[in-house]
Amino acid sequence: DIQMTQSPSSVSASIGDRVTITCRASQVVGSWLAWYQQKPGKAPELLIYGTSTLQSGVPSRFSASGSGTDFTLTISSLQPEDFATYYCQQGNSFPLTFGGGTKVEIK
Amino acid sequence: EVQLVESGGGLVQPGGSLRLSCAVSGITFNIYDMSWVRQAPGKGLEWVSSISGSGDGTYYADSVRGRFAISRDNSKKTLHLQMNSLRAEDTAVYYCAKVVADTFDDWGQGALVTVSS
Repeated sequence: DIQMTQSPSSVSASIGDRVTITCRASQVVGSWLAWYQQKPGKAPELLIYGTSTLQSGVPSRFSASGSGTDFTLTISSLQPEDFATYYCQQGNSFPLTFGGGTKVEIK
Repeated sequence: EVQLVESGGGLVQPGGSLRLSCAVSGITFNIYDMSWVRQAPGKGLEWVSSISGSGDGTYYADSVRGRFAISRDNSKKTLHLQMNSLRAEDTAVYYCAKVVADTFDDWGQGALVTVSS
């Protein structure tokens, strides 16, 4: 199974800050890497697929990159609605696996 | 607009069974793979099972293989998850999700399953 490791597990940041979350896969996953945002009590929402493609409607302050086993999600200027938990997920092979999550909290 | 609505969650005793359903609208249902993803209280996301658009291909996490069965009724645009031999560790919110290229691009609101005596 491919293990997905996210860091940090939590980050405290202020409005306007730049935030970067990393995701490392235990094996090469090609470009089959997605990112999700989840707010408390809500279902996750797809932010990014195919490593770096923004889902329709996702603000351009979100960006992502990476290849092979190392990936990053960046929020260029944190907004109040961005405080949430973020998950990476590999779709390269079954079982599909998620990272443990990164909680972005208000500083 | 795509809508996925889960139903069938509830409280069940260890060793019991439960069947979740997910009613889908707004898409040509039979061309999309579908999945179930769960989230235990206060924990992260865990993929449970996937099924191909035709229903011919099914996939399971090791933690549920042999106990859970995914199925779909394309004529009714409905996804199911039959859960047998339930354990306390199966307690979670279960989400159905539409799949595109092994990415979950639309999600339901979730159904809570609680396994407890």
